[in-house]
Amino acid sequence: NAGVTQTPKFQVLKTGQSMTLQCAQDMNHEYMSWYRQDPGMGLRLIHYSVGAGITDQGEVPNGYNVSRSTTEDFPLRLLSAAPSQTSVYFCASSRSVNTEAFFGQGTRLTVV
Amino acid sequence: SQQGEEDPQALSIQEGENATMNCSYKTSINNLQWYRQNSGRGLVHLILIRSNEREKHSGRLRVTLDTSKKSSSLLITASRAADTASYFCATDAGGNNRLAFGKGNQVVVIP
Repeated sequence: NAGVTQTPKFQVLKTGQSMTLQCAQDMNHEYMSWYRQDPGMGLRLIHYSVGAGITDQGEVPNGYNVSRSTTEDFPLRLLSAAPSQTSVYFCASSRSVNTEAFFGQGTRLTVV
Repeated sequence: SQQGEEDPQALSIQEGENATMNCSYKTSINNLQWYRQNSGRGLVHLILIRSNEREKHSGRLRVTLDTSKKSSSLLITASRAADTASYFCATDAGGNNRLAFGKGNQVVVIP
């Protein structure tokens, strides 16, 4: 099992560009989430999903869109990149409630 | 806002010593989890403790939870250089695995 796979690992964008961060898990987990991590801070929840077709906003959703068409995939879309979105992005999945989260290795995004 | 708040923020200890980190939170929770992050890597789950549990062990790790004080502690016994990492507590208040993370503790274990 690969676990949670994020691509790309690194990305540089220009202000105003759009892109999609990919996240895939092969553990058949229902719950998936996107977090961002900024220096000196813990992770903050962007969007999450409790199953295919069901998504909801987290703490910092502005500027990001998600969709969940399959159990395996949970892509994060940046609509119009801004320097404030420079961060490390982590995708996570969980089997059910009250279970541990498995994290991907992260995508380091720089917006110039 | 951050739900979990760890204390202290940075800890430097000698190999073989114990390391203790604390975490406080503000609202009722379903569970509290501790994660480790090595520099530049993803987070690795250490322990999950449910709101009706008071103590949990996993190898050299011991976690306690005091729901009346809304606080938790993580103890690493007989630390090793490989324990050097950042440690985060995270709370699940809503029951949908929506985790709220603290800012993390940096632990440096000196060989």
